[in-house]
Amino acid sequence: EVQLVESGGGLVQPGGSLRLSCAASGFTFSSHWMHWVRQAPGKGLVWVSRINSDGSTTTYADSVKGRFTISRDNAKKTLSLQMNSLRADDTAVYYCVRETWGPLDYWGQGTQVTVSS
Amino acid sequence: DIQMTQSPSSLSASVGDRVIITCRASHSVGSYLTWYQQKPGKAPKLLIYAASSLQSGVPSRFSGSGSGTDFTLTISSLQPEDFATYYCLQTYNTPRTFGQGTKVEV
Repeated sequence: EVQLVESGGGLVQPGGSLRLSCAASGFTFSSHWMHWVRQAPGKGLVWVSRINSDGSTTTYADSVKGRFTISRDNAKKTLSLQMNSLRADDTAVYYCVRETWGPLDYWGQGTQVTVSS
Repeated sequence: DIQMTQSPSSLSASVGDRVIITCRASHSVGSYLTWYQQKPGKAPKLLIYAASSLQSGVPSRFSGSGSGTDFTLTISSLQPEDFATYYCLQTYNTPRTFGQGTKVEV
């Protein structure tokens, strides 16, 4: 069974940092591109970042470029998102998502990030 | 960036109704269009990929059609468990972009 379990969310002050992790199991992690998608309270889904299967190529939404860094450890089957210079509008549930040849097919349960003083 | 516009933003329907949700792309996305269902407090669930392919395990009352810039998600006979918010997503290029969502309610 495919499982994606996010962790690392919490309450952080504006300007602070947080590192999210996603533990993958039940599939060949190193064969899939992975994504982070977020959802602010009461709002829609917003794509954040993507990393290819071997970690050599990353892409970011303009809203997080230069502040967030996506990475992966295929040996540990773990996806990460390092978030720096956090702002109030980064407050959201962050989902770890698997891509399979285009479709984002499996989603984690999400981890809440709240940026507030 | 490709903009995805869903309509309507919300709709009221009854069990047994046929429901149609549309998604329009600002530029052609070919058939790189995915539909999701999301219930409150839950992660989105994949329904349709490649515009018209039904994900394994999804009831056949869900169907998708379209290509290029205009797409539809159809629920042929709405069931109680179908009341939810639906999103389209283009996977043609990066950044990936979602529609704003369509809430299907009683």
